[in-house]
Amino acid sequence: GDSVTQMEGPVTLSEEAFLTINCTYTATGYPSLFWYVQYPGEGLQLLLKATKADDKGSNKGFEATYRKETTSFHLEKGSVQVSDSAVYFCALSGAWYGGSQGNLIFGKGTKLSVKP
Amino acid sequence: DADVTQTPRNRITKTGKRIMLECSQTKGHDRMYWYRQDPGLGLRLIYYSFDVKDINKGEISDGYSVSRQAQAKFSLSLESAIPNQTALYFCATSAHTGDNTGELFFGEGSRLTVL
Repeated sequence: GDSVTQMEGPVTLSEEAFLTINCTYTATGYPSLFWYVQYPGEGLQLLLKATKADDKGSNKGFEATYRKETTSFHLEKGSVQVSDSAVYFCALSGAWYGGSQGNLIFGKGTKLSVKP
Repeated sequence: DADVTQTPRNRITKTGKRIMLECSQTKGHDRMYWYRQDPGLGLRLIYYSFDVKDINKGEISDGYSVSRQAQAKFSLSLESAIPNQTALYFCATSAHTGDNTGELFFGEGSRLTVL
């Protein structure tokens, strides 16, 4: 079945450091890929998405490119801030033809802590 | 006010008790979901509903039931709670986009502890 694997945390960085959180997926068909972020005490919210191969999603300085050849969707940010401290989830959409349209399959999450 | 509201936000109960978690939304979305979050396991889908008359089991539906009382309301019940149902529960909604690109909108979560 479809699945998402993301790097385990926690990840601790100093402010202004470069961030990469790896995400790879296994899926049939042509899923859409997402990064969600969960700030402390809050629900998840969409950070960015890409709906087809070679698309780049971007938001708030974060970027991720949908790489079909490597089945990856790595999250990057050039200079992290303390306010980026959160848990980041990679996710893919369920197979269109499998009857699970709209359902997301989530990775286990990566906790990021940014120190001043 | 939040677009997706969950009640209660925190609940402590005992094994064997019946518990209901409620979710209401003002986004006008047809689709609603219940997820469970456990440390190190990410989010797992319990049930989902694409409209008032459509209820579907997710990955981990055993021990849970749901009711879609209206387009805006979707409740999750634990008929007889057990300790391994201790978790953070999230309700989410999405619009019908005709493809698989839709965004989920989450509530703030309901933390349930079963003693």
